[in-house]
Amino acid sequence: GESVGLHLPTLSVQEGDNSIINCAYSNSASDYFIWYKQESGKGPQFIIDIRSNMDKRQGQRVTVLLNKTVKHLSLQIAATQPGDSAVYFCAEILQGAQKLVFGQGTRLTINP
Amino acid sequence: DAGITQSPRHKVTETGTPVTLRCHQTENHRYMYWYRQDPGHGLRLIHYSYGVKDTDKGEVSDGYSVSRSKTEDFLLTLESATSSQTSVYFCAIRQSTDTQYFGPGTRLTVL
Repeated sequence: GESVGLHLPTLSVQEGDNSIINCAYSNSASDYFIWYKQESGKGPQFIIDIRSNMDKRQGQRVTVLLNKTVKHLSLQIAATQPGDSAVYFCAEILQGAQKLVFGQGTRLTINP
Repeated sequence: DAGITQSPRHKVTETGTPVTLRCHQTENHRYMYWYRQDPGHGLRLIHYSYGVKDTDKGEVSDGYSVSRSKTEDFLLTLESATSSQTSVYFCAIRQSTDTQYFGPGTRLTVL
């Protein structure tokens, strides 16, 4: 990870608070969604995924919510820690396709 | 890290020179991908491979070629590098669940 853009949406949260990062996707035919975390100087790291037949999935300290009606995906991080500082991307796969389509990303910064 | 390595990790080259980036995986995955990441554009697919000698273009394939002569290696070649190809390049593999895992990246600077 390089800085992925001067125009990235930014979310600042206090350490210990919950973070919610949002993503709008464009194609109603997409049936699989992934959240990635990218720290400076590193490649995107898989966090959690969800299929379109689900509306919620939980991992360790993270929850992904999927609202197919409004084509919206969110990532919730509980008790945000300094190590959560990164750029977060959502990605979607169109049904039957082989390629991921990535959103632009959101930069999460943690205030002590 | 899904057993993915990229080489070199950093390269500086001059306009007009050929450059080859290598992606190596150790887990026998069928699908491999090359992306570039630039400010304001996020991750964009250059080429991908669905097997040995089987490749296809992505959304930004102009100026790039790829080769996959064995399962574990996927090479990205810039035949004649241009300054617009200065970028960070990521390789990825796809597991059977459709999830893609990324390598550590190669920072390429074309002067």
